[in-house]
Amino acid sequence: KAGVTQTPRYLIKTRGQQVTLSCSPISGHRSVSWYQQTPGQGLQFLFEYFSETQRNKGNFPGRFSGRQFSNSRSEMNVSTLELGDSALYLCASSLEGTGRGETQYFGPGTRLLVL
Amino acid sequence: AQSVTQPDIHITVSEGASLELRCNYSYGATPYLFWYVQSPGQGLQLLLKYFSGDTLVQGIKGFEAEFKRSQSSFNLRKPSVHWSDAAEYFCAVAPYGGATNKLIFGTGTLLAVQP
Repeated sequence: KAGVTQTPRYLIKTRGQQVTLSCSPISGHRSVSWYQQTPGQGLQFLFEYFSETQRNKGNFPGRFSGRQFSNSRSEMNVSTLELGDSALYLCASSLEGTGRGETQYFGPGTRLLVL
Repeated sequence: AQSVTQPDIHITVSEGASLELRCNYSYGATPYLFWYVQSPGQGLQLLLKYFSGDTLVQGIKGFEAEFKRSQSSFNLRKPSVHWSDAAEYFCAVAPYGGATNKLIFGTGTLLAVQP
């Protein structure tokens, strides 16, 4: 089975621009979560999508949004980019996203640099 | 609020030596516990997880972890470290009975292996 894939792997943007990142989960996985990883804040949960609906949300401003398509692929969008948004954005998928025994599988991440 | 503490930011061990990485969590009940490893430029790979039952958990790559309720700890161990184990290690928790798709991560421990 193919793992979680994320595109693009690297991205450079300037302040004020917006960006869209894409994540394709493992086949059959319906839950997709997004995390932001920075040296200062570490790994922080952004949001989780299941069946095209946002089911959980972390403590991030409204500039961060996402969506999920019927094939479970997910995108996250960051509008009005700030320098502090420079980070590695990780996507993770799991079967249902709840309950015992489930494991989240992570993609390689998209490294975003905001200049 | 739930939190995870990894007190060691950086650890250096000699190849062949034993390893123990510390993890303490703050949560009222027994949470789900995970250890992930991240190699440079890569996403996170699950090493092992604890949900319930036997408090000594075996994982991949020869790692094991022991859950100690009295100490709120979930330390990761390996009897003999290989140079390929050099990476960053993250402990994570999810509330018991809750979603495992919104993990709370520790700040990570960077492991260096000396020849």
